[in-house]
Amino acid sequence: DQQVKQNSPSLSVQEGRISILNCDYTNSMFDYFLWYKKYPAEGPTFLISISSIKDKNEDGRFTVFLNKSAKHLSLHIVPSQPGDSAVYFCAASLQAGTALIFGKGTTLSVSS
Amino acid sequence: KAGVTQTPRYLIKTRGQQVTLSCSPISGHRSVSWYQQTPGQGLQFLFEYFSETQRNKGNFPGRFSGRQFSNSRSEMNVSTLELGDSALYLCASSLVGTGGFRNTQYFGPGTRLTVL
Repeated sequence: DQQVKQNSPSLSVQEGRISILNCDYTNSMFDYFLWYKKYPAEGPTFLISISSIKDKNEDGRFTVFLNKSAKHLSLHIVPSQPGDSAVYFCAASLQAGTALIFGKGTTLSVSS
Repeated sequence: KAGVTQTPRYLIKTRGQQVTLSCSPISGHRSVSWYQQTPGQGLQFLFEYFSETQRNKGNFPGRFSGRQFSNSRSEMNVSTLELGDSALYLCASSLVGTGGFRNTQYFGPGTRLTVL
């Protein structure tokens, strides 16, 4: 069964607006969460991460929110740009773990 | 600082053959992980190496193996290839591979393996 779920396979947003990508997890022992962006035929690129002891982390246009009680995290991109169009993966790891557990990804399309 | 490099980028093999993929991590990174990406299963963890030792293994058959050298470079081997092994194989490196930000993994471009 999937421990990390991205329930929206795709999202379309207009340039300049906010993009919100969502991720749910089932394992309460996950303590580190990451977002990656991936273009076709390339490896995932690390975007931003958050530790379970925090509920928010910002880096430029990207903000990740973590709601531990709901086992939910989200990535906000403001403002969205056409170059943000890609597949976004949510991933999680255990404190002593080395494996990243990935969601299936959400394809973001930003139109100008 | 150079990123993670993987060779070759593309590979075509036939069923029953074996294949070896190579990965050079970011300088200073001691943990190397391997992942398989397929359209149906997404990104799945294969195994992780640290200090030349396999520290963690995913749920893959024994045909999938790897090793790490003293300079942290890693190789992955798949023996007796099956059609279902066609995938993008990704290598990722991190500082030490455990404990929060230390497990931030940086990925290479991948090796696209096609099994005919």
